[in-house]
Amino acid sequence: GQQLNQSPQSMFIQEGEDVSMNCTSSSIFNTWLWYKQDPGEGPVLLIALYKAGELTSNGRLTAQFGITRKDSFLNISASIPSDVGIYFCAGQLLAASKLTFGTGTRLQVTL
Amino acid sequence: SQTIHQWPATLVQPVGSPLSLECTVEGTSNPNLYWYRQAAGRGLQLLFYSVGIGQISSEVPQNLSASRPQDRQFILSSKKLLLSDSGFYLCAWKDAPIEINEKLFFGSGTQLSVL
Repeated sequence: GQQLNQSPQSMFIQEGEDVSMNCTSSSIFNTWLWYKQDPGEGPVLLIALYKAGELTSNGRLTAQFGITRKDSFLNISASIPSDVGIYFCAGQLLAASKLTFGTGTRLQVTL
Repeated sequence: SQTIHQWPATLVQPVGSPLSLECTVEGTSNPNLYWYRQAAGRGLQLLFYSVGIGQISSEVPQNLSASRPQDRQFILSSKKLLLSDSGFYLCAWKDAPIEINEKLFFGSGTQLSVL
């Protein structure tokens, strides 16, 4: 089956630093989604990507759909304490019923 | 606009007791519905999904079952809970795969502790 490798598993950064995380797949996807999960809550959709090479921003967040369609990247600029949480990537094939999720990147921000 | 409701938020149950978690979606029709489980600090494991009323696909063998009695209602059940059933359960929905710009949306989750 398809697998998504998400890295890094965890990050400890200082407030104001930029963050980069990525997901790579052994298979091609038609859609990449990025989520953030706060403790005790459901994941919230941050950015959705639908075309190879697409670069999309949502405030301080920027995500890219890799040209090969086998990877995606999420960048957070000028991190703040509320960026703390677990970030998940997810990939989906066109017309598929299921998404494949990455294992998550846990982000900790220190003052 | 579409909304998803999941309850209860927290549940503590003894081993061997039954379980029923309910999820409903509003503002859409014929959605795909999903149940995920998340162990503490871990990733999301897909348990069941449904593409229509009465249609259930199970992803992993386990002590749980799912049912979809109505178009926008998805229920997760167990006849006898095990300790290993503890975890954070998430319901999710997305439009049926006829749309190009598909997105999956999650409920707020149920923290289940089996003691």
